[in-house]
Amino acid sequence: DIQMTQSPPTLSASVGDRVTITCRASESINRRLAWYQQKPGKAPKLLIYAASSLESGVPSRFSGSGSGTEFTLIISSLQPDDFATYHCQQYNNLWTFGQGTKVEIK
Amino acid sequence: EVKLVESGGGLEQAGGSLRLSCAASGFAFSSYEINWVRQAPGKGLEWLSYISGGGETTYYADSVKGRFTISRDNAKNSLYLQMNSLRVEDTSVYYCARVETGLHYMGVWGKGTTVIVSS
Repeated sequence: DIQMTQSPPTLSASVGDRVTITCRASESINRRLAWYQQKPGKAPKLLIYAASSLESGVPSRFSGSGSGTEFTLIISSLQPDDFATYHCQQYNNLWTFGQGTKVEIK
Repeated sequence: EVKLVESGGGLEQAGGSLRLSCAASGFAFSSYEINWVRQAPGKGLEWLSYISGGGETTYYADSVKGRFTISRDNAKNSLYLQMNSLRVEDTSVYYCARVETGLHYMGVWGKGTTVIVSS
């Protein structure tokens, strides 16, 4: 099974900050990685697929990069609506999620 | 509008059974693979089960293999998860999610249904 390790588990930031979340796979997953945003009591929402492709309607302040085993989600300028939990997911071999990163207000 | 709506959650005793449903609308249901994913209280997301568009192929996570069964009725645009031998640790919100054709990420999610298993 492919394991996904996300860091940090929690991140405190302010509006306007640049935020970086990382995700590491236990083996190469090429670029078959997605990022989801989840708010309390809500379903996950797709942000990025294929490591760096922005889902339609997602603001351009979100970007993704990486390949193989190391991936990054960047929010270039954190907005009030972005305080949420972010999950990475590999879909190279079945599906596995990272443990999630909660972005909270500093 | 593309939509997935889960139902069937509730309170059940350990050892009991529940059947979850996922009703699809707004897209050609039979053309899409579907997953079940769950999230225990305060925890991360866990993939549970997959079914192909025609229902011929299924996969399960080890945590539910032999206890849960995924199925679908394309004539009714519906997906199911039969959950037997429930355990306290199965307490979670259960989501169905559409697998995007050829790419395999989960592009559309339902809002979820809550299952609570008591001891």
